[in-house]
Amino acid sequence: EIVMTQSPATLSVSPGERAALSCRASQSVSSNLAWYQQKPGQAPRLLIYGASTRATGIPARFSGSGSGTEFTLTINSLQSEDFAVYYCQQYNNWPYTFGQGTKLEIK
Amino acid sequence: QVQLVESGGGVVQPGRSLRLSCAASGFTFSSFGMHWVRQAPGKGLEWVAVIWYDGSNKVYADSVKGRFTISRDNSKNTLYLQMSSLRAEDTAVYFCARDISGMIDCWGQGTLVTVSS
Repeated sequence: EIVMTQSPATLSVSPGERAALSCRASQSVSSNLAWYQQKPGQAPRLLIYGASTRATGIPARFSGSGSGTEFTLTINSLQSEDFAVYYCQQYNNWPYTFGQGTKLEIK
Repeated sequence: QVQLVESGGGVVQPGRSLRLSCAASGFTFSSFGMHWVRQAPGKGLEWVAVIWYDGSNKVYADSVKGRFTISRDNSKNTLYLQMSSLRAEDTAVYFCARDISGMIDCWGQGTLVTVSS
């Protein structure tokens, strides 16, 4: 099974600043990587797929990059509604696997 | 709009069985693969199982293989998860979700399963 490792576990950033979240795969997943946002008590929401393509309705301040084993989710000009937990997920190999999540909190 | 509504959760004793359902609406259910993903209290997401759009293929996480069965009834627009030999570590919110070429584009709100004596 492919292990997805996210870092850091918690990231403290001030509103208006930029956040960069990292996701590493234990073996290549090509560009078959998605990012999700989850707020307390809610279901996850798809942000990015194919490592860099924004899902429908996702603001342009969210961007994804990387391929193979190293991926980054960047959020520019953080808004209050962006503070949440973010998960990466590989869908290149069965079983699909998620990272353990990065909590983005207000500094 | 796309809607996925899970039901069937509750409190169950270890070793017993439970069946979850997910009612889909707002899209052509029979054209999409479907997943179950779970989240233990205060923990991250764990992928559980997937079923192809026509039910022809199913894949399971090792943690549930042999105990859980995913199925669907396309005539009823409903996804199921039959869970047996339940363990305390199966306690989680169970989400059903729609597959788009591997990634999950829509999620239900989840149903809580608590395995406890």
